[in-house]
Amino acid sequence: DQQVKQNSPSLSVQEGRISILNCDYTNSMFDYFLWYKKYPAEGPTFLISISSIKDKNEDGRFTVFLNKSAKHLSLHIVPSQPGDSAVYFCAANNNAGNMLTFGGGTRLMVKP
Amino acid sequence: SQTIHQWPATLVQPVGSPLSLECTVEGTSNPNLYWYRQAAGRGLQLLFYSVGIGQISSEVPQNLSASRPQDRQFILSSKKLLLSDSGFYLCAWFDGALETEAFFGQGTRLTVV
Repeated sequence: DQQVKQNSPSLSVQEGRISILNCDYTNSMFDYFLWYKKYPAEGPTFLISISSIKDKNEDGRFTVFLNKSAKHLSLHIVPSQPGDSAVYFCAANNNAGNMLTFGGGTRLMVKP
Repeated sequence: SQTIHQWPATLVQPVGSPLSLECTVEGTSNPNLYWYRQAAGRGLQLLFYSVGIGQISSEVPQNLSASRPQDRQFILSSKKLLLSDSGFYLCAWFDGALETEAFFGQGTRLTVV
């Protein structure tokens, strides 16, 4: 049973436009959400996070939105750059469980 | 600052051979340590996690095992590798506190032939 789902395995966007990556979760106990970026043959690196007490967190070109009622979060990248091309993983944490549960990832391709 | 080391970076092993991947963490004590696997075209799957020396929890029953012989050392092993064990293995450190991200090692690309 996948508790964190990224239903789009891939996304292609033109350079300069907005990239929107989506993530859905089922476990209402999740209270902290993170996005990771991963290049081939490397470990994931932390990108941005959001606590369940907030509905938006912004860091430069990256903004994460959280809709708790819909159990949905999204990552917006504006403007998208070719260097953003990577696999993006959504992750959720239940502090009581001391672990991160990851989604299946979305491969973003930003075309010049 | 915390650093996580994982080796080797790549490994090609024949079916039926043993496996030992090592992960060590610096700059923290009593970390929660995790082994994830990313199979081709799939997401990150949690394999094992450990909250302390000798404490191992398995998330997915399979051909692999894990051990935590020291506070900052986490080892992934197999007695006999299967073709399906091929994948990209990642060690991660996570202190379990709210609003803290996990830190990943560089990963090990395992190919079982």
